[in-house]
Amino acid sequence: DQQVKQNSPSLSVQEGRISILNCDYTNSMFDYFLWYKKYPAEGPTFLISISSIKDKNEDGRFTVFLNKSAKHLSLHIVPSQPGDSAVYFCAASGTGGTSYGKLTFGQGTILTVHP
Amino acid sequence: DVKVTQSSRYLVKRTGEKVFLECVQDMDHENMFWYRQDPGLGLRLIYFSYDVKMKEKGDIPEGYSVSREKKERFSLILESASTNQTSMYLCASSSNAGFGVTQYFGPGTRLLVL
Repeated sequence: DQQVKQNSPSLSVQEGRISILNCDYTNSMFDYFLWYKKYPAEGPTFLISISSIKDKNEDGRFTVFLNKSAKHLSLHIVPSQPGDSAVYFCAASGTGGTSYGKLTFGQGTILTVHP
Repeated sequence: DVKVTQSSRYLVKRTGEKVFLECVQDMDHENMFWYRQDPGLGLRLIYFSYDVKMKEKGDIPEGYSVSREKKERFSLILESASTNQTSMYLCASSSNAGFGVTQYFGPGTRLLVL
């Protein structure tokens, strides 16, 4: 039962253009969402997050949008740079109860930005 | 900066061997996690710990055990390694402060079981 889904295994974008990575979730108890970036042979690094009380959060070239009614979030990277080429993971958490900060991850999307 | 270190970057083991993967964090985080990453499957939680000597099963605990004797150290044990445990293993930690969900990852251990 995949509660967090990234349906696009890969995305290819030209340098300078916008990259849009998508993520869907099924568990309505999730109330905090994160994006991580992972280079080969390295651990994931935290990129940006959003609470369910917001619908947008922006940090430099990265913006995350949350549509609670559709249970959908997306990560926009503008402008895309070759150094953004990596695997991007979406993750979700329910902060209440005994979650202890557990995260549920999607399958990942490989982003390739061409010069 | 949070630093999470893992004892080995690459390991090659034989089927049936007992394997120990060590993880240390230096930020006094309460929570620690072990994941494995496989292509197309994302990160799957094996075990986590929210306090010293406490452990909870994640989504795929079979064939694994863990140990947390000190707050900064979380060990993953493969009791009898099998070829289907060949994978990238990632350790993470997080604090209970604030929302307490942002996890910080180590560099990973790529394990090959022959």
